[in-house]
Amino acid sequence: QFVLTQSPSASASLGASVKLTCSLNSGHSTYAIAWHQQQPGKGPRFLMKFSSDGSHTKGDAIPDRFSGSSSGAERYLTISSLQSEDEADYYCQTWGTGIVVFGGGTKLTVL
Amino acid sequence: EVQLVESGGGLVQPGGSLRLSCVISGFNVSSNYMSWVRQAPGKGLEWVSVIYSGGSTYSADSVKGRFTTSRHNSKNTLYLQMNSLRAEDTAVYYCASLNCWGQGTPVTVSS
Repeated sequence: QFVLTQSPSASASLGASVKLTCSLNSGHSTYAIAWHQQQPGKGPRFLMKFSSDGSHTKGDAIPDRFSGSSSGAERYLTISSLQSEDEADYYCQTWGTGIVVFGGGTKLTVL
Repeated sequence: EVQLVESGGGLVQPGGSLRLSCVISGFNVSSNYMSWVRQAPGKGLEWVSVIYSGGSTYSADSVKGRFTTSRHNSKNTLYLQMNSLRAEDTAVYYCASLNCWGQGTPVTVSS
């Protein structure tokens, strides 16, 4: 059974960096994930697909400020030089045969 | 330009049916796996169903036996037939490939 765990909330100051975490459950630590952003009142937007070997594919027009990394079963989304428009919900997603799973999302507040 | 445009949402009574459509431009509906994802008011993203390039489909347990996913290749359109609707199916429904989302169509199940 796939489970993705995200912290419900995070905050950081304008211009600073923040690292969001998505944890894959036991037995699925090598799976690739995708990160999606959902700004208030909008639909989700694909940010990037990130694999445990470090390979990644970014969405169109996603700034270089957004980057991914991993360590074991943890997948990270780092946003540097935070801007006000980065205040949003961030979801990780993974998939297997016949199933797609989303994490519960992290609400990022830009102070 | 890749674009996904959903339609067909609306207000329906409990026990009723709706069919959602998602018209795709920029790629072939049969070339990728396509998902339906929903978001209840104030909640996170919930996977509903997936259809693979070979045509096989899978659904979340919460909708299994009630919702059916299909596609029409020549119309480049994805469908979600929703039967026996319940109040807890109230949500915005998105169609999505891995790296692209539609704008969503709202479904309200209420008497």
